[in-house]
Amino acid sequence: ETGVTQTPRHLVMGMTNKKSLKCEQHLGHNAMYWYKQSAKKPLELMFVYNFKEQTENNSVPSRFSPECPNSSHLFLHLHTLQPEDSALYLCASSQGRLGANEQFFGPGTRLTVL
Amino acid sequence: QKEVEQDPGPLSVPEGAIVSLNCTYSNSAFQYFMWYRQYSRKGPELLMYTYSSGNKEDGRFTAQVDKSSKYISLFIRDSQPSDSATYLCAMNRGAQKLVFGQGTRLTINP
Repeated sequence: ETGVTQTPRHLVMGMTNKKSLKCEQHLGHNAMYWYKQSAKKPLELMFVYNFKEQTENNSVPSRFSPECPNSSHLFLHLHTLQPEDSALYLCASSQGRLGANEQFFGPGTRLTVL
Repeated sequence: QKEVEQDPGPLSVPEGAIVSLNCTYSNSAFQYFMWYRQYSRKGPELLMYTYSSGNKEDGRFTAQVDKSSKYISLFIRDSQPSDSATYLCAMNRGAQKLVFGQGTRLTINP
């Protein structure tokens, strides 16, 4: 595997379900990001992790709970989501703060909340 | 007012045409300006990156930044069908929070 991988690629869940999105980067980076991409809206930064520590939470509702066990893996735990949370969730990584302008993105997880 | 404005298109041009993609922004603190390209069912990938005002050329692609007008452009020369994608402008103040435009969907017709 190379680059940034994300699983699953597609996810359909009900509003009462709990699910998790997984991201893994094989680039040796130490910063990881979650973004939300909705139709007709700009990419929105959700969370930033540097060396496993969360350094940015962009006012994301608590029904989204990130976890970063090490610099290569990032999870997004989902519970009690709303239909408006349906979107493409993208993970990215970079070589720390200095490399933040060159972020490498995964293919995304297409999430549908029923 | 959005921090970054980008016409979503769609934009359709014939193969070989010169394409001009643009973004305007409101925050004068932005110093770094990026263009990302996103193919269908893929994540964005960095295409060009410039710091402050000026031009940068890379093959058929030229990025221009005019900080006085708060306006950035991406030019594609000799456009190819493989350039068909969504182009996202992004910028930041030097931190890790990139602010993206909405993206312009571009189609190059053979």
